[in-house]
Amino acid sequence: QQPVQSPQAVILREGEDAVINCSSSKALYSVHWYRQKHGEAPIFLMILLKGGEQKGHDKISASFNEKKQQSSLYLTASQLSYSGTYFCGTASFTDKLIFGTGTRLQVFP
Amino acid sequence: DAGVIQSPRHEVTEMGQEVTLRCKPISGHDYLFWYRQTMMRGLELLIYFNNNVPIDDSGMPEDRFSAKMPNASFSTLKIQPSEPRDSAVYFCASSPRGLHYGYTFGSGTRLTVV
Repeated sequence: QQPVQSPQAVILREGEDAVINCSSSKALYSVHWYRQKHGEAPIFLMILLKGGEQKGHDKISASFNEKKQQSSLYLTASQLSYSGTYFCGTASFTDKLIFGTGTRLQVFP
Repeated sequence: DAGVIQSPRHEVTEMGQEVTLRCKPISGHDYLFWYRQTMMRGLELLIYFNNNVPIDDSGMPEDRFSAKMPNASFSTLKIQPSEPRDSAVYFCASSPRGLHYGYTFGSGTRLTVV
């Protein structure tokens, strides 16, 4: 039931783009995205609800394809501050949020 | 707002001892979650509360684990007796209106059982 994230790790140069994918075998109502830096707590980025909407915040955006039970996180023109581990969390309407295994992103100058 | 406050930040204890972790959620947040994070298992939900009532404790690993929320501003997670395999970072998180809103995590408690 744990959502599957891909890739497991990404290495980028500043300014490059990245896409992180999250897929679930369950019918989803919401998909959460969080970023966690080493030794710190996960920080909420955004949430997408059933309806296939796309959200964006600055140069980070996400989409949710409810038919495929998939979500993608798009990082555009990456900055050093984007480094960290990205987690998706998925939930059906009444069930608890389950986190994926994470995607480690490293951005180098 | 001070955010979600957890204490202690670090805890080192001997096997067999009782451990109590504490959490103060953001005022006005109706939902409180306890997560455990390890390299092997990632972020696991242990239990969550709505308006101080436990809703889902299916993630609590064993009877050695118990959680309470006596009021809207305080929750505890207790492990008795503790074992080395309980070593992990324990996070508390709160949400204003439930499963489908963003969670705010506390800084976590790093527990080491020797």
